[in-house]
Amino acid sequence: EAQVTQNPRYLITVTGKKLTVTCSQNMNHEYMSWYRQDPGLGLRQIYYSMNVEVTDKGDVPEGYKVSRKEKRNFPLILESPSPNQTSLYFCASSLSGFSGANVLTFGAGSRLTVL
Amino acid sequence: KQEVTQIPAALSVPEGENLVLNCSFTDSAIYNLQWFRQDPGKGLTSLLLIQSSQREQTSGRLNASLDKSSGRSTLYIAASQPGDSATYLCAVRNTNAGKSTFGDGTTLTVKP
Repeated sequence: EAQVTQNPRYLITVTGKKLTVTCSQNMNHEYMSWYRQDPGLGLRQIYYSMNVEVTDKGDVPEGYKVSRKEKRNFPLILESPSPNQTSLYFCASSLSGFSGANVLTFGAGSRLTVL
Repeated sequence: KQEVTQIPAALSVPEGENLVLNCSFTDSAIYNLQWFRQDPGKGLTSLLLIQSSQREQTSGRLNASLDKSSGRSTLYIAASQPGDSATYLCAVRNTNAGKSTFGDGTTLTVKP
C-alpha cells in the first residue's frame, strides 16, 4: 500500500531531550515536507526537501533540523525541544515539487508533547 | 508572502443540503490548489487537486473550481451527509518550488 509512515505517533518528552520523528514513504517520491498544526494557527510548513540532499526552510524552521540522505526517509530532528514545540506534526510527500499534477500525500501525524 | 483564507470558519447544515466552501489566496503564482479533509485528531486526506491551468475537478459528490486570476477556489458538496462532517482545508503549492500554504479550514457539521 502506498503510504507515508511517521513514528512515533505519540510522544511525551521533557525540555532539552533530543528527539527524532521519522518519516518514510514507499512511493519513490522526490518531494517531502514537514508541517506542524496548532489550534488557531493552522498548518505551517517547517522544512521541505525537493530531492536527496536538497532541503530548505519553510515558514517556521526555528528549533528543527532535517536531513535527506536517502529518497524514502526525511527525519525531523528536535535537538533541544521546548514546550512551544508541543504540536501535531505531519509529514507529506509528492512525486515532484515542480509539477502541478502531483498530489500531496500525508502521514497520519505525530502528536508531540514537551514538558 | 502567500496568504490563504477560508470562509466560513464553521458551517452547520441539515442533511441533504448542497453547500459551498470558499478558499481565497493572495498570490496567483501557484502550481496547484488541493482540497483536503481532516477528521478530528487525524491526518489529511486528499479530496481534489486542481492544477493552475485547470478550471475545475470533480469526484463523486464533490466539485472544486479554481479562478486563478481572482485568487479563488470553491468546493461544492452535493447532497451532504452526516459522514461529510469534518474540517476541510485548502492548500496552494506556490511556484517558488517547495512551499505550500494552507488555509485555516472550514469545520463542517452535517446534522441528520
